[in-house]
Amino acid sequence: EPEVTQTPSHQVTQMGQEVILRCVPISNHLYFYWYRQILGQKVEFLVSFYNNEISEKSEIFDDQFSVERPDGSNFTLKIRSTKLEDSAMYFCASSVGEKLFFGSGTQLSVL
Amino acid sequence: GEDVEQSLFLSVREGDSSVINCTYTDSSSTYLYWYKQEPGAGLQLLTYIFSNMDMKQDQRLTVLLNKKDKHLSLRIADTQTGDSAIYFCADQNRDDKIIFGKGTRLHILP
Repeated sequence: EPEVTQTPSHQVTQMGQEVILRCVPISNHLYFYWYRQILGQKVEFLVSFYNNEISEKSEIFDDQFSVERPDGSNFTLKIRSTKLEDSAMYFCASSVGEKLFFGSGTQLSVL
Repeated sequence: GEDVEQSLFLSVREGDSSVINCTYTDSSSTYLYWYKQEPGAGLQLLTYIFSNMDMKQDQRLTVLLNKKDKHLSLRIADTQTGDSAIYFCADQNRDDKIIFGKGTRLHILP
């Protein structure tokens, strides 16, 4: 079965550093998403992306965050200057407009 | 805003049925989902139900939807140790945004 893949599975970074989380959505999917889950809390919506632009973003997705689809296959989330509170599991998801398929997540630890 | 609520813990004996309940507030739900998360792993889509259905069965899993009461449940028949995980209820609204509950940790007793 096709799946969404995310790399790396774990990322450790120093506060203030930039990180890029990578995702390869399912190949014929058109809608792309990033969600995050802070330990012990709900999975929260960050941003959705369609037709090469952001279609919706949450209040969490501030100027420190950006998304890009640099080529036909990758979908990236960049955090420009990481903060301690950015430590979370970040999930990428994609869909053709119906149910979402999630990747296995990238655990980001900001020290 | 829209919210999804579920109890945080459930303990069930191996071989019994598990029933995980969820309530939501969104009046414009399109799909409702159950995801499973094992330790250190991502979100695995278990099953989903379209909002105009009231029941869906898939092997050991039965989903019941009461749209009037905005109540969703997941029944796992013959619960096994491998079912031990966190189960997330999620609601997809008409803007295709998914709202997750906090997850129910299912603990299997021997």
